Amino acid sequence: GQQLNQSPQSMFIQEGEDVSMNCTSSSIFNTWLWYKQDPGEGPVLLIALYKAGELTSNGRLTAQFGITRKDSFLNISASIPSDVGIYFCAGLEAGGTSYGKLTFGQGTILTVHP
Amino acid sequence: DTGVSQNPRHKITKRGQNVTFRCDPISEHNRLYWYRQTLGQGPEFLTYFQNEAQLEKSRLLSDRFSAERPKGSFSTLEIQRTEQGDSAMYLCASSSVSYEQYFGPGTRLTVT
Repeated sequence: GQQLNQSPQSMFIQEGEDVSMNCTSSSIFNTWLWYKQDPGEGPVLLIALYKAGELTSNGRLTAQFGITRKDSFLNISASIPSDVGIYFCAGLEAGGTSYGKLTFGQGTILTVHP
Repeated sequence: DTGVSQNPRHKITKRGQNVTFRCDPISEHNRLYWYRQTLGQGPEFLTYFQNEAQLEKSRLLSDRFSAERPKGSFSTLEIQRTEQGDSAMYLCASSSVSYEQYFGPGTRLTVT
């Protein structure tokens, strides 16, 4: 099935640094979502994107829907220790018969050193 | 809005036993999804309900798996004759008319 390539796989940063991660696909997506997951918990929705080129912020988080509709980016500014976790991109493929089946990337593990 | 709830949070079972998980979606959401997540991977889609109708099933959902949403509210996922490869986190999500899916805390299944 469809796979999303998410990079980097992991990041080790100092508190206060900015973080960037991205997600790419070989297919066009109509919707991109970004989630954060803590160990033993379900993913928590951070940002939803619906239009190519759209740039959306949620506090220190900013995400963009790529112009080609095959990629998306997430930036975290001024990281803090509670940003630690696994970040997942998820997309809803265009042109299919799916009713909302999300395809997930493999995640970016973020570690923030105080 | 109390969020999506799942029960139990953890289940340990012996190979060959049947298990059933429950999901209670956000009350006004008519769409409900089940996903499976193994260690180091993102969630993988299993099945989708709109109200009580099961509209889509993944090929991952073998004949041993069955899901129901009898009254369009809570849903159950049953695994019969569990195998060690069924060990995973089973996640439920719900949404309204948008595709913004809100996940529950998951049920961690361990098959020994």
